[in-house]
Amino acid sequence: DQQVKQNSPSLSVQEGRISILNCDYTNSMFDYFLWYKKYPAEGPTFLISISSIKDKNEDGRFTVFLNKSAKHLSLHIVPSQPGDSAVYFCAATLHLSSGSARQLTFGSGTQLTVLP
Amino acid sequence: SAVISQKPSRDICQRGTSLTIQCQVDSQVTMMFWYRQQPGQSLTLIATANQGSEATYESGFVIDKFPISRPNLTFSTLTVSNMSPEDSSIYLCSVVDRGYGYTFGSGTRLTVV
Repeated sequence: DQQVKQNSPSLSVQEGRISILNCDYTNSMFDYFLWYKKYPAEGPTFLISISSIKDKNEDGRFTVFLNKSAKHLSLHIVPSQPGDSAVYFCAATLHLSSGSARQLTFGSGTQLTVLP
Repeated sequence: SAVISQKPSRDICQRGTSLTIQCQVDSQVTMMFWYRQQPGQSLTLIATANQGSEATYESGFVIDKFPISRPNLTFSTLTVSNMSPEDSSIYLCSVVDRGYGYTFGSGTRLTVV
């Protein structure tokens, strides 16, 4: 059972426009969500995260929105740049009452291509 | 955030042999994980590396195939044993750094021929 889903394997946008990447999850216990960017032959690079107590988090060109009732999150990149072309993974986790972290559950990824 | 050095970055191995991947962190971390990314797939957790005790494996992964060591809070190894072409993947170590920060190594691209 895939607990984190990214239903769009690929997305192409024009440079300067907005990129919207979507992610759905099924486990209502998840309380922390992250987005990673991955280039070929490199490890995932952390982009932005959001706790379940928030519905929006912004960092420069990147904004993550969380809709808990719909179990949906999205990553907005604006303006998109050719250097943003990569595979984007969303991930989710839940934290133990002790405060210690647990492993991440990843979506299948979305290949973003930003066209110049 | 923590800096992770993962070696080797890539290798081509004969089937039936074993490869040990090393993960060195520049600071002490409480949690270390090993993931696998098969071609065209997402990242799948293999196991949690526990310091001073046996690793905790996810469903579908066993210690005999993927033995893990974690002798201290900055170092871990993953061995892929008795390899077959199906083990061709990218293997990644990950640490939890200062609370909720998850950092990944650069990965080991393994090809089994």
